[in-house]
Amino acid sequence: SQQGEEDPQALSIQEGENATMNCSYKTSINNLQWYRQNSGRGLVHLILIRSNEREKHSGRLRVTLDTSKKSSSLLITASRAADTASYFCATNNNDMRFGAGTRLTVKP
Amino acid sequence: DTAVSQTPKYLVTQMGNDKSIKCEQNLGHDTMYWYKQDSKKFLKIMFSYNNKELIINETVPNRFSPKSPDKAHLNLHINSLELGDSAVYFCASSQDEVAGAWAQYFGPGTRLLVL
Repeated sequence: SQQGEEDPQALSIQEGENATMNCSYKTSINNLQWYRQNSGRGLVHLILIRSNEREKHSGRLRVTLDTSKKSSSLLITASRAADTASYFCATNNNDMRFGAGTRLTVKP
Repeated sequence: DTAVSQTPKYLVTQMGNDKSIKCEQNLGHDTMYWYKQDSKKFLKIMFSYNNKELIINETVPNRFSPKSPDKAHLNLHINSLELGDSAVYFCASSQDEVAGAWAQYFGPGTRLLVL
């Protein structure tokens, strides 16, 4: 069964705007990872946040983790057309489980 | 430099056939995985191998068998292909045997269509 569930399923914004995607999960985790998948390509790892961390940054990406609410968010600031992709969260307990992804479209 | 490569990229075949998908990683990672991504984009882990030992095996039909000749390769063999096997199959690798403790590096995917 799927573990992480991303929300929304699809998001469309204008270039320059911020994009926020959320991930909820059901069981306790060791860490949570975010991946990006461009159309027709494999997944690319973005950020790993451990269960004892609350926030992590990487360039224009900001990830938060709230283990009490079993949720995480991915914020992409100053979005670009090249950010158009599907974004997946993956949670780790004993194995990796991916959600169905959020499809982000950034319009130029 | 290709970190994780898969062949073939596309595979179109008839029901009942047997096919293999090859995967190689040049990252020196200890663990390799196979995932299936269906038409709804759900990504499901099928297998992972660490030092030639199967450490995860989800509820995958035994028509699917992973074969690892060495640490850098994990091939996926599928017997008696069925229509429902049509999907994109991704190979991935990670540094450590603890699934999810390290980032996974994915191959470009193999698009399988069973007619």
